[in-house]
Amino acid sequence: DTAVSQTPKYLVTQMGNDKSIKCEQNLGHDTMYWYKQDSKKFLKIMFSYNNKELIINETVPNRFSPKSPDKAHLNLHINSLELGDSAVYFCASSAGTNQPQHFGDGTRLSIL
Amino acid sequence: AQSVSQHNHHVILSEAASLELGCNYSYGGTVNLFWYVQYPGQHLQLLLKYFSGDPLVKGIKGFEAEFIKSKFSFNLRKPSVQWSDTAEYFCAVISSGSARQLTFGSGTQLTVLP
Repeated sequence: DTAVSQTPKYLVTQMGNDKSIKCEQNLGHDTMYWYKQDSKKFLKIMFSYNNKELIINETVPNRFSPKSPDKAHLNLHINSLELGDSAVYFCASSAGTNQPQHFGDGTRLSIL
Repeated sequence: AQSVSQHNHHVILSEAASLELGCNYSYGGTVNLFWYVQYPGQHLQLLLKYFSGDPLVKGIKGFEAEFIKSKFSFNLRKPSVQWSDTAEYFCAVISSGSARQLTFGSGTQLTVLP
């Protein structure tokens, strides 16, 4: 059973489109995260939610909007996609904000 | 703001060689420290963690790390690497003053030659 699952695994789309990435965790964790990993493998946190409430919102364009319908889900919606958005996006969850994080398999987003 | 430095960007070893990957962090308060591994095309997996207690922590797959508070370091070691250890290794830190944000180092690519 996959603990943290994200869909889709690959996403290829054109500039200017709007797309969503879904994330679900079945670990019963209270905290969920979105990370962006660039082409140099550098990982940077984008958002963190604890019990459906936003607790970390790093400096990302407001074209990126996280949505947490319940504490097991944290979806990422991206408007007006740009070339620089090409990256691998990882969802993660943890039992608490200082606990080890469990990562999903990543979504590779490619902008044409 | 806290930061994490991994000075080795790419390490190439032969099988059975010993490994040590450096990790230094900048925060002076209480920290929780982690090493994650990312095998090619896969997600990050936790190798080991340090919260408190014995500064020498053992993780999965024969890895260990030593927390040296005076040096702000948390180096990863393995006495004898295998070809299957080829992966990207990330050091990460959560500090008490950072809104519990996990900050990653830039990663070290380890290539083990058979």
